[in-house]
Amino acid sequence: NAGVMQNPRHLVRRRGQEARLRCSPMKGHSHVYWYRQLPEEGLKFMVYLQKENIIDESGMPKERFSAEFPKEGPSILRIQQVVRGDSAAYFCASSHAYRGDTEAFFGQGTRLTVV
Amino acid sequence: AQTVTQSQPEMSVQEAETVTLSCTYDTSESDYYLFWYKQPPSRQMILVIRQEAYKQQNATENRFSVNFQKAAKSFSLKISDSQLGDAAMYFCAYRRAGGGADGLTFGKGTHLIIQP
Repeated sequence: NAGVMQNPRHLVRRRGQEARLRCSPMKGHSHVYWYRQLPEEGLKFMVYLQKENIIDESGMPKERFSAEFPKEGPSILRIQQVVRGDSAAYFCASSHAYRGDTEAFFGQGTRLTVV
Repeated sequence: AQTVTQSQPEMSVQEAETVTLSCTYDTSESDYYLFWYKQPPSRQMILVIRQEAYKQQNATENRFSVNFQKAAKSFSLKISDSQLGDAAMYFCAYRRAGGGADGLTFGKGTHLIIQP
């Protein structure tokens, strides 16, 4: 029973390139959350998705960032025209239900470095 | 908006001793959940313990227990009989009870060092 799988673990992009981060939730989970962790900081909520729907993107930057969770396949966090300030660890979490007490299982994160 | 504050950037404890990590939060909600997560060097976020705000009894998981003071909005984590494997970043987190639409709100973390 695989956990939440994120790939790649490490991603290096030059300024102006696009970054695509993938997250495969745990089997049976239809709720996906993306978080960003800057150095020396806690995780910050970015977006919450269910299959084919963005439920809450209040934590997403208004420009250059987008997320999707298609009917088939992993959830994708896409960052266009990356800048140095996008360098961070990006975590995905999944859960099987919407309730606040439902445990969210985290992946190991993707560390994005923009050079 | 909810906020979570961890005022101890770093804590150090001798192996086998007890250590308490502090966390305070601010919310206008009456029903919510509080969590402690552990993040070892592998970066994997691991749930340590969870507390429902409507429960007066403090949660306990083996060597880990919490001191939940709802009126003071305080949620500290006590680790008894500290082990070398407990060394990690520890994050306190909040989530409202109505659902997960706004995800978890995390504190900035406390780096726990275990001295052998």
